[in-house]
Amino acid sequence: EPEVTQTPSHQVTQMGQEVILRCVPISNHLYFYWYRQILGQKVEFLVSFYNNEISEKSEIFDDQFSVERPDGSNFTLKIRSTKLEDSAMYFCASSEGTNNEQFFGPGTRLTVL
Amino acid sequence: GEDVEQSLFLSVREGDSSVINCTYTDSSSTYLYWYKQEPGAGLQLLTYIFSNMDMKQDQRLTVLLNKKDKHLSLRIADTQTGDSAIYFCAENSSNDYKLSFGAGTTVTVRA
Repeated sequence: EPEVTQTPSHQVTQMGQEVILRCVPISNHLYFYWYRQILGQKVEFLVSFYNNEISEKSEIFDDQFSVERPDGSNFTLKIRSTKLEDSAMYFCASSEGTNNEQFFGPGTRLTVL
Repeated sequence: GEDVEQSLFLSVREGDSSVINCTYTDSSSTYLYWYKQEPGAGLQLLTYIFSNMDMKQDQRLTVLLNKKDKHLSLRIADTQTGDSAIYFCAENSSNDYKLSFGAGTTVTVRA
């Protein structure tokens, strides 16, 4: 069964460093998403991406964040200068359309020291 | 904005039914979802219901939707130890792309 994959599963970084989280969405899906879950809190929407551009973003998704689909399979989230409060589980998701179910990857646990 | 609320904890005996409740505020919700998260794992889509339905059954899972009261529930029949997890209610509307999640209900199944 096709699934969304994410790498790495765990990333540890120093405050101020740049990180890139990688995702491979399901191959026939057209919509891609990033969410995050700070430990013990709700899953929060960050950004959605369609047709090589951002379709919607939340207040959390400020200038420190960017997304890219560098090739036909990968979808990346970059955090330019990480802060302690960026420590969270980051989930990638994809869907066929906007009104189709979103399938989530296993997540990348980001720890900022 | 959208707000999704769930009770935080549920303890149930193995073999009994579990009922997890959720309320939401967005009247334009199109789809409502239940996701399961096991410890240290990602979000697994369990089931979903379209807003023009009031019930959906899928093996041991029954979803009930009361659109008037904006109330969604997930019933798990014959609860097993493998059902111990956090269950998230989520909704999305036709107006936007994102899913709005509840805080999650931690279900503990005791022998």
